Amino acid sequence: GAGVSQTPSNKVTEKGKYVELRCDPISGHTALYWYRQSLGQGPEFLIYFQGTGAADDSGLPNDRFFAVRPEGSVSTLKIQRTERGDSAVYLCASRETVNTEAFFGQGTRLTVV
Amino acid sequence: GNSVTQMEGPVTLSEEAFLTINCTYTATGYPSLFWYVQYPGEGLQLLLKATKADDKGSNKGFEATYRKETTSFHLEKGSVQVSDSAVYFCALPVYNQGGKLIFGQGTELSVKP
Repeated sequence: GAGVSQTPSNKVTEKGKYVELRCDPISGHTALYWYRQSLGQGPEFLIYFQGTGAADDSGLPNDRFFAVRPEGSVSTLKIQRTERGDSAVYLCASRETVNTEAFFGQGTRLTVV
Repeated sequence: GNSVTQMEGPVTLSEEAFLTINCTYTATGYPSLFWYVQYPGEGLQLLLKATKADDKGSNKGFEATYRKETTSFHLEKGSVQVSDSAVYFCALPVYNQGGKLIFGQGTELSVKP
């Protein structure tokens, strides 16, 4: 596709539910990143994939958060037992290599009620 | 550790006014530095970058100079337009951690006609 695509654009879920957020990176981009942006803050790193493997998951806040990228393209961020504090915009970015420009999707706004 | 600090917003200016948004950083070594922009309803976009000390990045009338001695990368524009209204983020990559980006908290700019 032309850019990084994230779906859904908005997600409202009840506290305690499970959610999946999807990211379609730019074709051929081997590096993929997830960030979380809370209101009035800059994006904060969650996890980085190089190909299919999670090369750095040090930003995941706890074990309720998990992400996969089984074929080295599409990635899914999974959040179990959602809490109200998980409400934020979740951003995905991809790049050809770690030294090239990162392109961001428009994000998924998650609201936990 | 690596960190980025931006001046707090919101910043409100009249059209054709001069803009400065301050950014200072703490980093190991001398990483590249970036300014990203987030227009209303859109994803993060790279605005400009500088890859080494004393480099000046420029784009769309915006400029920023990488100052090693003051660890700063202030964003400037001589004459802002209403269409520049957006949130601006200063960022640095951590190359030994997969190139993940460390962002400042963002500065919201509102330009009035």
